[in-house]
Formats: sequence, structure tokens, C-alpha cells
Amino acid sequence: AQSVAQPEDQVNVAEGNPLTVKCTYSVSGNPYLFWYVQYPNRGLQFLLKYITGDNLVKGSYGFEAEFNKSQTSFHLKKPSALVSDSALYFCAVRDLDTGFQKLVFGTGTRLLVSP
Amino acid sequence: DVKVTQSSRYLVKRTGEKVFLECVQDMDHENMFWYRQDPGLGLRLIYFSYDVKMKEKGDIPEGYSVSREKKERFSLILESASTNQTSMYLCASSLLGSGGLETQYFGPGTRLLVL
Repeated sequence: AQSVAQPEDQVNVAEGNPLTVKCTYSVSGNPYLFWYVQYPNRGLQFLLKYITGDNLVKGSYGFEAEFNKSQTSFHLKKPSALVSDSALYFCAVRDLDTGFQKLVFGTGTRLLVSP
Repeated sequence: DVKVTQSSRYLVKRTGEKVFLECVQDMDHENMFWYRQDPGLGLRLIYFSYDVKMKEKGDIPEGYSVSREKKERFSLILESASTNQTSMYLCASSLLGSGGLETQYFGPGTRLLVL
């Protein structure tokens, strides 16, 4: 079965510093990976996805993610954090065992950016 | 932009009541999903629909049913609400696409409290 793990419940970073939100995956075939963000009292917003190709994927709001096959990781990164980046971040993987577009989500990482 | 709307942002219901959660998308997407979000558990798929009148069970369908009479509308029904169904409910939609790699777009969520 496909799964993703987000090892940190919370990440704290000062505004202007680089941020990393970690995600590792376990899949039986090719990994198709997604990052979503959830702002307070809102639904999830799509940030980026990795299907194939370049290991560095660029997404919305200045975020990017680095796919690392040897470490089975897909960490979310941003060079300079903003206070407005404070939110809940979810990593997800396409479940290839089902015939439809099922995503398996991680448990989420709360990012707090302090001024 | 894709727009997914949910009929209520907040609902308070009593144990045993029948509850209807409505979701509408305006982008002619074939696929629609219902998830529930709980702290520490991430998002879990309740039901999925890939066409009108078609549905598939997700990971946690017990206690729920769904209805899709029109392409743009997907309803989640709690036949007899229980306190353990207190949660945030998120609707999503996506194109059918090929390879099952299409992005899912989420509504704002309905926070349900069952007393």
C-alpha cells in the first residue's frame, strides 16, 4: 500500500529564513506526489505535484519541492518564509492500488512563521 | 479558476439526525470526492464518484452514503449522525484525465458538530 509520512507535527521558522517541511513516501511503483496547504478555516489549496521529470518542482506562492528517489523523500521548501505562510501543510501520494484517483494524505505539518 | 462550494461552513446536529452535506463544482469535473479531516489523522477518503449515479467506497464509508444525480453536485449523507462523526468534511473534484494524475481541487469545508 502507498503511504506518506510527515515526521514533524510542527515547524517553527523566523520570517526571512528558509523553510523545509518534510515528507517521505512508500510506494510500490512510480511515485506521484502532491503538496497541499490549508489556511485557517479553509479548504486545501494545491501547491505542486511531481509526476516525472525534473527532481525540483516549482509551485505556487514561491514554494518548491525536491524529489529524492534514493531517500524516498519529497520535501517542501521555500527560500524565504513569510508570516503569511503559516498554515497546515499536507503531503499526499497517488494510491496506485486503486483504479481511481485516490490520494493518500499524510497527517499534516503545521508551519509557524514568526515575525 | 476551479470553484468547489459546500452548502454550509458550520453545522450543529443532534445524535440520530439525518444530515445532508452538499457540494457543487463549476468546472465540469467528472470526479468528485468526500473526505473527513481529523487532527493527527490527516484526510481520509469516505466516498468517490467518477460519474453521475456512480460511486465507490473509500477508506471509511461506514455510517455514510452519497448521492450524485447531477454531474456538478455530490451529496454526503449521514444516515443517523453520531458523535464520532463530528469532524471537518471536505469535498474535492478533478478531471477524469488519464493515468489518474489530475489535481484535486477542494471546497472550503464543512465543520460538523454532532451533539
